[in-house]
Parts: sequence; C-alpha cells; structure tokens
Amino acid sequence: SQTIHQWPATLVQPVGSPLSLECTVEGTSNPNLYWYRQAAGRGLQLLFYSVGIGQISSEVPQNLSASRPQDRQFILSSKKLLLSDSGFYLCAWSDQTDTQYFGPGTRLTVL
Amino acid sequence: AQSVAQPEDQVNVAEGNPLTVKCTYSVSGNPYLFWYVQYPNRGLQFLLKYITGDNLVKGSYGFEAEFNKSQTSFHLKKPSALVSDSALYFCAVRDLFSGGYNKLIFGAGTRLAVHP
Repeated sequence: SQTIHQWPATLVQPVGSPLSLECTVEGTSNPNLYWYRQAAGRGLQLLFYSVGIGQISSEVPQNLSASRPQDRQFILSSKKLLLSDSGFYLCAWSDQTDTQYFGPGTRLTVL
Repeated sequence: AQSVAQPEDQVNVAEGNPLTVKCTYSVSGNPYLFWYVQYPNRGLQFLLKYITGDNLVKGSYGFEAEFNKSQTSFHLKKPSALVSDSALYFCAVRDLFSGGYNKLIFGAGTRLAVHP
C-alpha cells in the first residue's frame, strides 16, 4: 500500500532563516505531487504541483520554491522566511483517478 | 470557472442524530466530486468520491454522499452521528481546466461538532 511521509512534524524558525520541508511517497511510481498551505485551520491554498522529476508548477508567486529531485520526493524551500509563511503545510500525491492523498503535515511557526 | 461552496461554517448535531454537511458546485461538464475529513493537527483523509454511476456514494466510517445534478449539490450524510465524527470537512471538485493535471478545488471547510 502507499504511504506518504512529511518531516519535520513541527518547526519553529526565526524570520529571515531558510526553510526545507521534505515529503516522500512510498508504494507508487510517478505520482503527481502537491504542496498546500493551510492557514488558521481552514482553507487550503495550493502552492506547487509536480507531474514528474524536475517539473514544477507554481500556483501563487511568493517567498517559497519547490523541487522534485527524485520521483517520489518533493521538497518545499525558502531562502528567507517571512512571518506570513507561518502555517500548516501539507503534501499530497494523486493516483490516476484524481484522488489526492495527504501526508500528516508540518506545522511551521515563524517568529 | 470551476468552484465549490460549503455554505455552513459550522454544523452542530447531537450524538445519534443524522448529520448533513452541505456542498454545492459549479463546473462545466460532468463533475468529479470528493469529500475529505481533517482531525486537529492532522492531514486530510479521503472519505469518498463521485465520478459516475449511482448518485448515492458510500464511503469510509459510515459516511455517504448524494450527487444531485439538478441542484448541483453533493451533500455529505451519516445516519447516526458519533462524537468522534467531530472534525473539519472539506468538499472538493476536480479542476477540469488544469491543462491535464489533476488539481482539486477545495471548499472553505465546515466544522462539524457532535455533542454527547
């Protein structure tokens, strides 16, 4: 069966510091991968999606970037964090039926 | 443009009573519709989906949803609510104009509170 991992689970970072969040998927090949941000425990904002290695599409121009160095690895990065980057970051993968499956999330607090 | 709406911020129901969480959509063509549940500080869990076929879709944890094309709705239902059903529920529709990539458009979420 397929599983999706995210780490770290929680992170507290100062403003201006770099960020790297990692997501890996097991048990499937060539998945579509997604990064979302959820603010204030409500709506989801799609940040990036990827249909293959090195293929990244950005939904919202912002202080973040994404990379996909391997088929089942998706990384969210920032060179300098802003206060507004705080939130709950969710990684997801999708199968051929368009169903998305989410990881456990990373709670990021920028101080 | 594709969109999905969840008209209620919160739904309150007593344990043992039936529950309904509402969702309406606006898409061109036939919709692919999904329901997800999120418990505090956790990722979203897939509950059920409608792609084609029977209008009544059964999913995980005793939930079901009814697709109504004339009312453009996809309400989530459960005959008897449990306190453990208390969570945040998201409706989603596939974005048909995403250039072949399967993106989902999510509603704003409805918080379900089941009281003992």
